[in-house]
Amino acid sequence: AQTVTQSQPEMSVQEAETVTLSCTYDTSESDYYLFWYKQPPSRQMILVIRQEAYKQQNATENRFSVNFQKAAKSFSLKISDSQLGDAAMYFCAYRFNTDKLIFGTGTRLQVFP
Amino acid sequence: KAGVTQTPRYLIKTRGQQVTLSCSPISGHRSVSWYQQTPGQGLQFLFEYFSETQRNKGNFPGRFSGRQFSNSRSEMNVSTLELGDSALYLCASSLEGTAPTGELFFGEGSRLTVL
Repeated sequence: AQTVTQSQPEMSVQEAETVTLSCTYDTSESDYYLFWYKQPPSRQMILVIRQEAYKQQNATENRFSVNFQKAAKSFSLKISDSQLGDAAMYFCAYRFNTDKLIFGTGTRLQVFP
Repeated sequence: KAGVTQTPRYLIKTRGQQVTLSCSPISGHRSVSWYQQTPGQGLQFLFEYFSETQRNKGNFPGRFSGRQFSNSRSEMNVSTLELGDSALYLCASSLEGTAPTGELFFGEGSRLTVL
């Protein structure tokens, strides 16, 4: 069965600094999707970034980038130039084809001024 | 384009009652999924509907049911509520078809409290 593991329950970063959130997953599939979602206190889950497993190039969205290591089944999120508005729960998620999203347990990110 | 809309945002029920939650997906999205979020269990998949048919189902008891209408709007129902059903219920829609992108777009959720 597919699983997603986030080993960092909480992380903190100073404003303007860089932070990396870790995620590992397990699957026997070769083509799938990986996502990072952000859930602020307002609770709406917002897509931060997506990666298709067949693409070797790491996805980037403005200050957010991923380090996708397919062989190691690792999918970390790097947030550069952290802002106060980045404070939230971050969930790593896996999806195979049109199956359900499988979420990790989340990492709570605190941003200090 | 309007996002995923869930109603009601908050509701309080007592044990034994039933509840119906509604979800309107993004226009053009034919897939609607439901997730339960609790502090203890995290995010758990309930079910997914596509073109009015349940396509996937999670490991929840039969008290949890859902349906999808021809306009893609979806409802989920929980009967005989238990204290443990208190949770944030998230609805998500996705664009399926010839050019799927894989991601789900979430609503703001319905916060259910069972007393």
